[in-house]
Amino acid sequence: NAGVTQTPKFQVLKTGQSMTLQCAQDMNHNSMYWYRQDPGMGLRLIYYSASEGTTDKGEVPNGYNVSRLNKREFSLRLESAAPSQTSVYFCASSDRGTGELFFGEGSRLTVL
Amino acid sequence: EDKVVQSPLSLVVHEGDTVTLNCSYEVTNFRSLLWYKQEKKAPTFLFMLTSSGIEKKSGRLSSILDKKELFSILNITATQTGDSAVYLCAVLRRDDKIIFGKGTRLHILP
Repeated sequence: NAGVTQTPKFQVLKTGQSMTLQCAQDMNHNSMYWYRQDPGMGLRLIYYSASEGTTDKGEVPNGYNVSRLNKREFSLRLESAAPSQTSVYFCASSDRGTGELFFGEGSRLTVL
Repeated sequence: EDKVVQSPLSLVVHEGDTVTLNCSYEVTNFRSLLWYKQEKKAPTFLFMLTSSGIEKKSGRLSSILDKKELFSILNITATQTGDSAVYLCAVLRRDDKIIFGKGTRLHILP
């Protein structure tokens, strides 16, 4: 059972480079999320998508863009990476209204 | 602006103790309050609370929600070293947005 798969698991970028984090879920969930986690900060919501075709900003959307490509896939793009975007990124999905998030394993991104 | 505030941020107790973790919130379009446990990797789901005053239990863990005072507590009785983790409180809004607090880091001494 794959659940939520996110790639890559690790990435090192230079300031100004761009990259896309990919996320796919196989549980037929409507809602998908991107969070970042920094030490002592809990999980901060970047963007979420409550259904295919919709996306909404979270708490810290600046510097990021997202695409809900279809019901399964939700990608996060950094157009011009900055050192402040060094973090662990988690993708998650849930059945609408259940509150139970299923997380990917996380992607550790370092921006030099 | 939505807020989820957890306290304490860090807690160290001895095995066998009982702990109470706190979570207060100010959120528009509130639907439910959520608790998660995070060990080394991604968080795992513990509870969802939607109604005031109804306790949810799972083994030694229990939680209750007060929608009038806008807070929830998570109790862990007879703590074990395996309970050491970060406990995250979150709020689910009606538009499906989920906002987390900063977490409480719990360390259980043997």
